[in-house]
Amino acid sequence: AQTVTQSQPEMSVQEAETVTLSCTYDTSESDYYLFWYKQPPSRQMILVIRQEAYKQQNATENRFSVNFQKAAKSFSLKISDSQLGDAAMYFCAYRSAAGNQFYFGTGTSLTVIP
Amino acid sequence: DAGVTQSPTHLIKTRGQQVTLRCSPKSGHDTVSWYQQALGQGPQFIFQYYEEEERQRGNFPDRFSGHQFPNYSSELNVNALLLGDSALYLCASSLRGWANEKLFFGSGTQLSVL
Repeated sequence: AQTVTQSQPEMSVQEAETVTLSCTYDTSESDYYLFWYKQPPSRQMILVIRQEAYKQQNATENRFSVNFQKAAKSFSLKISDSQLGDAAMYFCAYRSAAGNQFYFGTGTSLTVIP
Repeated sequence: DAGVTQSPTHLIKTRGQQVTLRCSPKSGHDTVSWYQQALGQGPQFIFQYYEEEERQRGNFPDRFSGHQFPNYSSELNVNALLLGDSALYLCASSLRGWANEKLFFGSGTQLSVL
């Protein structure tokens, strides 16, 4: 089974600064998708950004961008100009192109300091 | 546009009892997945329903069963509850066939087993 590892249980960042959350994964497949989800105290998981493994270009969504290193099996999330509303748990997730199941990491709790 | 709705939001049961959780998918979605999120962990895949059939199942015992109705809503049933079943149960919906189908999550049902 695929595994997703988030080695930073907690991170903090000053408001308006930049923070990077790390994620590594283990797979023998070549075609898959990677995601970052945000889970605020409301508990609803919200999609932040996704990356197709066949694309070399890193995905970007406004202040959120990823650094996808396929050979290293690394998928980090960079949040620029951090805002108080960014405070939440962030989960990295993997899905095979051939399957339906999402595999999630254990999450990183992000605190934004005013 | 209604998102994914789950009921109830909270539930308290005792060991050995049975529980039913309900989920209505996002408008236009035809596929429902269920995830269990234990405290401090990432969500774990239980199973997925499409066209009223279980399409894929994670590593969960037969005590966990489900159903999907013609209107695409779904139920998760857990029999013979154990203390370890205490968790947040998340429902996610998607549209089958999209190559990079995104999951849209509900806010979950918090189940406590005493």
